[in-house]
Amino acid sequence: QKEVEQDPGPLSVPEGAIVSLNCTYSNSAFQYFMWYRQYSRKGPELLMYTYSSGNKEDGRFTAQVDKSSKYISLFIRDSQPSDSATYLCAMSERTGNTGKLIFGQGTTLQVKP
Amino acid sequence: GAVVSQHPSRVICKSGTSVKIECRSLDFQATTMFWYRQFPKQSLMLMATSNEGSKATYEQGVEKDKFLINHASLTLSTLTVTSAHPEDSSFYICSARGLTDTQYFGPGTRLTVL
Repeated sequence: QKEVEQDPGPLSVPEGAIVSLNCTYSNSAFQYFMWYRQYSRKGPELLMYTYSSGNKEDGRFTAQVDKSSKYISLFIRDSQPSDSATYLCAMSERTGNTGKLIFGQGTTLQVKP
Repeated sequence: GAVVSQHPSRVICKSGTSVKIECRSLDFQATTMFWYRQFPKQSLMLMATSNEGSKATYEQGVEKDKFLINHASLTLSTLTVTSAHPEDSSFYICSARGLTDTQYFGPGTRLTVL
């Protein structure tokens, strides 16, 4: 079993839809949770960073962490065609120089105009 | 701020040659840099972690003699793929971390070994 599971999709939605992206994980020691956006042939770009459980909102993006269920989510409101990309979840046990990131496989999202 | 560059962006080489990829943090000092490998439609796999001025720490299964990493300064790390073979063809991405805990990723280097 992979440490981090993420449905690769692809996920196709109409413009303006609410998008829900999810990851599950098995390592209860993970404390730091991130979502990255990666456009084709580019490096990942950090979207959201959360510590422990709870919600965090930034513009159209909301990240949720449920440590009891080992489940994290990223919601995108009013999705735009420019949101079309691959979304990677990542998590680590600790911060500092030993904070190795474990990535999910990535979910490919397509927002159709 | 927090820009990481990689050079070259694409490289095509013959089997048996060595290829060097540079990773630079342009506007911050990176105490730690990471090298990842990504196959098509797959996740990023950490290859090694390097701290400035010390030897890199390689992940299990990564050949340290094949993937040479040098972190000579707080703004530059290099990955050299020695005696490259077609199976080394991949997308190589570096990331850099400074005083905060956030990793900032470079744009990646696509290596094709013929």
